Amino acid sequence: EAGVVQSPRYKIIEKKQPVAFWCNPISGHNTLYWYLQNLGQGPELLIRYENEEAVDDSQLPKDRFSAERLKGVDSTLKIQPAELGDSAVYLCASSFPGGGLAGGRNTGELFFGEGSRLTVL
Amino acid sequence: AQTVTQSQPEMSVQEAETVTLSCTYDTSESDYYLFWYKQPPSRQMILVIRQEAYKQQNATENRFSVNFQKAAKSFSLKISDSQLGDAAMYFCAYLETSGSRLTFGEGTQLTVNP
Repeated sequence: EAGVVQSPRYKIIEKKQPVAFWCNPISGHNTLYWYLQNLGQGPELLIRYENEEAVDDSQLPKDRFSAERLKGVDSTLKIQPAELGDSAVYLCASSFPGGGLAGGRNTGELFFGEGSRLTVL
Repeated sequence: AQTVTQSQPEMSVQEAETVTLSCTYDTSESDYYLFWYKQPPSRQMILVIRQEAYKQQNATENRFSVNFQKAAKSFSLKISDSQLGDAAMYFCAYLETSGSRLTFGEGTQLTVNP
């Protein structure tokens, strides 16, 4: 079974340019997460989707960041315009509904992609 | 808000030896989940071990075990018979039972010396 797929793996852009990241979650995982990971730090949640609905976007800087999850499967995360401080790794993860704690199938485990490393010059 | 603290930015261990990574957390909840995730240089985060707070028995997964001290809000990871492939960044993480948000610690970079 394929894991969480992200693209691109690496992206270098000039500041003020737009950038977009794509994520394809594991089949059957209704919950999708975007995390930001700065160098040497733990991931921080940007947004969480339950199917098509963004149920937790309180940490998403909405002035420049946007995300969508059309049809409740793939998701894109966009930054426009990018700033120097946006250089980081953007991780996508998926899980069973509710973060994986309700119901017999759930384990609380998130499955992560390899991440998209953004460098803003 | 829940916080997770890993006080050891870096740790090293000799191959075949045992190492313990520390983690403390702060919560007002009585029921929650705790995790250790491993992030190798390829950057894909994978689950190492999970502990349910309502269980008194410490979780074990082969060479990996935890010491869960609920009253002290401590959750350490012990790696026995360390292998070169264990070298990675290790993150402690907390998840409340509502499953709404996984909170990570700052990470501990583990080096395994041959």
